[in-house]
Amino acid sequence: KQEVTQIPAALSVPEGENLVLNCSFTDSAIYNLQWFRQDPGKGLTSLLLIQSSQREQTSGRLNASLDKSSGRSTLYIAASQPGDSATYLCAVNNAGNMLTFGGGTRLMVKP
Amino acid sequence: GAVVSQHPSRVICKSGTSVKIECRSLDFQATTMFWYRQFPKQSLMLMATSNEGSKATYEQGVEKDKFLINHASLTLSTLTVTSAHPEDSSFYICSARGQSGTIYFGEGSWLTVV
Repeated sequence: KQEVTQIPAALSVPEGENLVLNCSFTDSAIYNLQWFRQDPGKGLTSLLLIQSSQREQTSGRLNASLDKSSGRSTLYIAASQPGDSATYLCAVNNAGNMLTFGGGTRLMVKP
Repeated sequence: GAVVSQHPSRVICKSGTSVKIECRSLDFQATTMFWYRQFPKQSLMLMATSNEGSKATYEQGVEKDKFLINHASLTLSTLTVTSAHPEDSSFYICSARGQSGTIYFGEGSWLTVV
């Protein structure tokens, strides 16, 4: 059974810092991996989707990498802003079906 | 891009009543839809997987008679919480799998049972 772990569970940084969120998974036979953002009281926003054949994806200040063999993905946020404050979820898709979510990282960027 | 619409976004119901949440794929056909539940400060947990025209597959610990899932068409799946109790208060979110394999999420529904 796939297990997804996110470290750290919570992170507080001053504005402007570059930061890395980590996601690890136990079963490397994945279809793809997605990073989501969840704001309090809101639904999920998909940030980046990495297919199993890809190594990384970039969108603006966000860069996600995938190392399938070691079961790891990282989300890099450059020049963090207070508006980046949210919970970031990593989700692994096995065999094109259900997603297994990590516990999330609660990010607070202080002005 | 593909859009999944979930309705209602917020609902308050009395204990003992039933409430239905709809999940629609607006511009694509979704043969598979997923329902998740999220309790405060916890991660999303898969409740069930529904395939169009067949019975839903429920995850262990999820009561199928309490959480009725219907996936009658390629664009609509519904989750009905029957005889709701305060402990059912949670954030429910659906997702739909498009033909490319990408999964799109609805906006989620906040259920409060009083």
